[in-house]
Amino acid sequence: KQEVTQIPAALSVPEGENLVLNCSFTDSAIYNLQWFRQDPGKGLTSLLLIQSSQREQTSGRLNASLDKSSGRSTLYIAASQPGDSATYLCAVRYSGGSNYKLTFGKGTLLTVNP
Amino acid sequence: EAGVAQSPRYKIIEKRQSVAFWCNPISGHATLYWYQQILGQGPKLLIQFQNNGVVDDSQLPKDRFSAERLKGVDSTLKIQPAKLEDSAVYLCASSAGTASFYEQYFGPGTRLTVT
Repeated sequence: KQEVTQIPAALSVPEGENLVLNCSFTDSAIYNLQWFRQDPGKGLTSLLLIQSSQREQTSGRLNASLDKSSGRSTLYIAASQPGDSATYLCAVRYSGGSNYKLTFGKGTLLTVNP
Repeated sequence: EAGVAQSPRYKIIEKRQSVAFWCNPISGHATLYWYQQILGQGPKLLIQFQNNGVVDDSQLPKDRFSAERLKGVDSTLKIQPAKLEDSAVYLCASSAGTASFYEQYFGPGTRLTVT
């Protein structure tokens, strides 16, 4: 079964810390992996999209890496700020299907304390 | 450009009642998705449309859920009759196409509470 697992389920850090969120997937045959942010009561905002041929993507203070062979991705957030508090979701597009659908993890709830 | 629009934002109904949600995708986006997100879970795809045709509805509970996208633009998702376990956020997303490199853009969601 093609699944996505995110660890930890929740994380609380003081402002200014660098942190890493983890995502693992069960099948290395993927098209791409995407990290989303979800604020309470809001929809999903795409943060980074990594194609299967790429090793990492960067946007500002965010860096996402992809290791297909081990079935893992990490989202690194540098110098965390209270405004980074949100739920972070990892989603994978597995190969083999005809609709390229996203399979999501349950998310990591991040709280950055001032 | 305008994002994905959804309405209503919130809905409270009693079990066995019916409810409908509406989605207007980003202009020009051929592919539309409906997801169900239960509290504490990631979104689960219910149905995917390409223009006005269904690409994937394998996880749609067809005995009570239905969806349509008649003119290949707006879409409605209906639940009839609702059960307590249908309480969730219903997210609509759209993309320019179905290929893997197209990003999906999500609306704000409709939070449904069934009592």
